[in-house]
Amino acid sequence: NAGVTQTPKFQVLKTGQSMTLQCAQDMNHEYMSWYRQDPGMGLRLIHYSVGAGITDQGEVPNGYNVSRSTTEDFPLRLLSAAPSQTSVYFCASMPGDFGELFFGEGSRLTVL
Amino acid sequence: AQSVTQLGSHVSVSEGALVLLRCNYSSSVPPYLFWYVQYPNQGLQLLLKYTSAATLVKGINGFEAEFKKSETSFHLTKPSAHMSDAAEYFCAVTRNTGGFKTIFGAGTRLFVKA
Repeated sequence: NAGVTQTPKFQVLKTGQSMTLQCAQDMNHEYMSWYRQDPGMGLRLIHYSVGAGITDQGEVPNGYNVSRSTTEDFPLRLLSAAPSQTSVYFCASMPGDFGELFFGEGSRLTVL
Repeated sequence: AQSVTQLGSHVSVSEGALVLLRCNYSSSVPPYLFWYVQYPNQGLQLLLKYTSAATLVKGINGFEAEFKKSETSFHLTKPSAHMSDAAEYFCAVTRNTGGFKTIFGAGTRLFVKA
C-alpha cells in the first residue's frame, strides 16, 4: 500500500517555465488537496477536490491549476513559474468525512 | 473565516520536562481539531484528533490535547519530553464549508535539550 505518492521530489525551474507536480493515492479517498509550506507560514491550502470532476480554490490558488479526472490522481500545474512559487509542496488525501489527512513526502520546487 | 493560531514559533525544553504547545482556533461552530507532527524532510503525520467524542484526546507517542470550548483552545502536552520528540508540530482545523477544508497554524518547532 503506497499511500500518497508525489513526483518529482525535487525540481528546479526558470522563471516563466511550466511544469506539473504529480500526485496519486491508492486508498480510494474522495478528498485530495495541495498545500505549499513556507518557513513561518505553516501549510497553506492551494486547491482541493472533493471527488472526480470537482475542484475548488483554497487560500492561495493564484498561479496554479488543478484537475481531477480520476479518484486516484490530482496533478498541480504551474503555468508560468515565478520565484514566489519556490516552496515545498505537499499533496494530501482524506476519506470523505472529517478524518485525518494522509500526506505525500513533498516536492521541493525552486524557481530561479 | 476560520483560523488557527499557534503561540510560539519555537519552544525549547529539557529532556524529561513537560511539553506544552499552544493552539487557539476561531470558528463559529464546533470544529474538528488535529495535531500533526513533521520530522525533518518528511511529510506530516497525525498525532491526534478531536471529533467531539471526548474533550481530552490521547494520541501517539504519549501526547495528549484538551479541547476547551470556553477558551477556544486545543493545547498539546506531553508529561516528559524525549529527544525523539524534536520536530515541528502543526495544529489544524477542518470544517465542511462546501468542501472539507483543513487550515493549518504556522507551526511550532520543538527543541529538546539533553
